[in-house]
Amino acid sequence: EAQVTQNPRYLITVTGKKLTVTCSQNMNHEYMSWYRQDPGLGLRQIYYSMNVEVTDKGDVPEGYKVSRKEKRNFPLILESPSPNQTSLYFCASSDPGNTEAFFGQGTRLTVV
Amino acid sequence: AQSVTQPDIHITVSEGASLELRCNYSYGATPYLFWYVQSPGQGLQLLLKYFSGDTLVQGIKGFEAEFKRSQSSFNLRKPSVHWSDAAEYFCAVGARTTDSWGKLQFGAGTQVVVTP
Repeated sequence: EAQVTQNPRYLITVTGKKLTVTCSQNMNHEYMSWYRQDPGLGLRQIYYSMNVEVTDKGDVPEGYKVSRKEKRNFPLILESPSPNQTSLYFCASSDPGNTEAFFGQGTRLTVV
Repeated sequence: AQSVTQPDIHITVSEGASLELRCNYSYGATPYLFWYVQSPGQGLQLLLKYFSGDTLVQGIKGFEAEFKRSQSSFNLRKPSVHWSDAAEYFCAVGARTTDSWGKLQFGAGTQVVVTP
């Protein structure tokens, strides 16, 4: 089954404690991205990757890092989380010429 | 600047009644257009998409949308809603240019409540 898998689904952490949210897709898609969803703001892109070792900032990259060492994986790293990063995070993947994005189930992050 | 506007934050509709969700976009050229639905606690599911051709697009779950270039709109409709249609709906646009084809710009979402 074609899918994008994120882990964990829920995470509560404390300010400043580094964390990683994993994302994996099994569709051999080149393009992967991370979004955060906040009430009244919809989804905003954090970072994206057009292929292995190619990443770039989206609209709200501050406080986040990503890496793309393998085609299927695109982890999101928060080196020093802060409460304003409390949000619902989605990973997505798609292929060139077909901008239909497939989304993971989401990770609800709470930073206290 | 590129933007997607969903004017209605919240809509309440009776089961069996028709539903129309509005979406307007501001873009340099005609983008790819999408509607996604998010049920409580779930990820985003694609309802339908417009790339080119017929401006009336049919999607899953009985939804359809019409692209109107002159109005920069892509409104979503369903003739008769079911209680299971209660969810949040997002309009999104995607660029056709090769340097940004993967990025989606989302509207703020419309929460749909279905009453008996």
